[in-house]
Amino acid sequence: GQNIDQPTEMTATEGAIVQINCTYQTSGFNGLFWYQQHAGEAPTFLSYNVLDGLEEKGRFSSFLSRSKGYSYLLLKELQMKDSASYLCAVRDGDYKLSFGAGTTVTVRA
Amino acid sequence: IAGITQAPTSQILAAGRRMTLRCTQDMRHNAMYWYRQDLGLGLRLIHYSNTAGTTGKGEVPDGYSVSRANTDDFPLTLASAVPSQTSVYFCASSDSTAGGRDTQYFGPGTRLTVL
Repeated sequence: GQNIDQPTEMTATEGAIVQINCTYQTSGFNGLFWYQQHAGEAPTFLSYNVLDGLEEKGRFSSFLSRSKGYSYLLLKELQMKDSASYLCAVRDGDYKLSFGAGTTVTVRA
Repeated sequence: IAGITQAPTSQILAAGRRMTLRCTQDMRHNAMYWYRQDLGLGLRLIHYSNTAGTTGKGEVPDGYSVSRANTDDFPLTLASAVPSQTSVYFCASSDSTAGGRDTQYFGPGTRLTVL
C-alpha cells in the first residue's frame, strides 16, 4: 500500500509561520496535492506540485522533492481562519489519490 | 453552479438495512470517486469511475457497490449496513481528460451512523 506521513497536530500564533511536512512512499508518482479541510466541511484544493521546487500562492507555498519523497506546506502570516486540517495527498502510478491522515493546525491569538 | 451535491446530509441507520448515498455533479467531469473519512485514518478510496459506464474498486470496497449510469450521478450503496461503516462519506469529481493537475473537487459529505 501507499504510505503518507504527516504530523498529527501543530499549534502556532496568529501572524506566525508554520511548516507542515509530508513524507511519502508510493507505487509511482504523478503529483502531490495539499488540501485544506475545516471542521465539518469538505476538503478544498490548496496546491499541486509535480516537479521539484517551490510553488507560491499568496500566503501559502508548497515544496516538493521527489528524490526524497518529501513535501511541505508553508503557511505565512497565520490568521485565525487558517485553523483547519491540512491533508497531503499523492497521486500514484495508477493515478489514484492516497491521503495522509491530516495535520490539524490550531492558530492562537 | 452547485458543483457537487450529496444527499442525505446525515443519516442514522439500523444494522442490516440497505442504504444509498447520492452524489450529483454539474461540472461535466468524467471521473468520480467515493471516499470515507475516519478519525486518524484520513480519506480512503472506496470506489471510483473514470467515465460513465465504468467503475473500479479502491482501497476499501468491501460492503459497498456503485453504479455510473450517466456523467452526473454516482450513487454509493451499502447492501447490508454494519456498524464499522459508520463514517463520513465524501464524493469527489475531476476532469481527468485534461491531463496534468486533474484536481479532485469534493462534495459536502454525508455523515452516516450505523447502530
